[in-house]
Amino acid sequence: AQSVAQPEDQVKVAEGNPLTVKCTYSVSGNPYLFWYVQYPNRGLQFLLKYITGDNLVKGSYGFEAEFNKSQTSFHLKKPSALVSDSALYFCAVRDLAGAGSYQLTFGKGTKLSVIP
Amino acid sequence: DTGVSQNPRHKITKRGQNVTFRCDPISEHNRLYWYRQTLGQGPEFLTYFQNEAQLEKSRLLSDRFSAERPKGSFSTLEIQRTEQGDSAMYLCASSFSATKNTEAFFGQGTRLTVV
Repeated sequence: AQSVAQPEDQVKVAEGNPLTVKCTYSVSGNPYLFWYVQYPNRGLQFLLKYITGDNLVKGSYGFEAEFNKSQTSFHLKKPSALVSDSALYFCAVRDLAGAGSYQLTFGKGTKLSVIP
Repeated sequence: DTGVSQNPRHKITKRGQNVTFRCDPISEHNRLYWYRQTLGQGPEFLTYFQNEAQLEKSRLLSDRFSAERPKGSFSTLEIQRTEQGDSAMYLCASSFSATKNTEAFFGQGTRLTVV
């Protein structure tokens, strides 16, 4: 079975400071990892993905994420936070080795608040 | 608008009534997914179609739930004899199957409230 943990329900950072939203995963095979963002009353928006290759992946709006296989982590980062980054962030994993290989398993989400 | 479209955006229904939601995926996408999201939780997978074939169903999809994608384009999700526990946001997503690596794009969801 595949699972995702986002250990922080909420992260607060000051505008202009770097931000990190943590994610760890568990799969039986190789993971496909995703980050999505959800603004109030809106659907999930895709930010970035890791499939294979370079462990540092870059995505939309200046976000990036680092895949660490030994720590089974995929933390989301941004060098300088904006107030407009305040939203709910979801990490998701897909395991192509297991049954149900096209379904995404999501974490519970982390609410990011960027303080002006 | 070329994104995933879901209708209605909001639905309030009395317990015991049937409801049906519609999802129109991005036009060239042949994979379509339904997820359910409750307050404070991440989306949970319900079911997945490739073209018109329903290939995966979650154990969350009880007998009261049925999904169709009759011509491989739009999809409907029906809930019969609704219960208060069905209150949630129902999300539809689509993706393109040229490779296995493509990400899913989500609609804005249908918020169901069962009273």
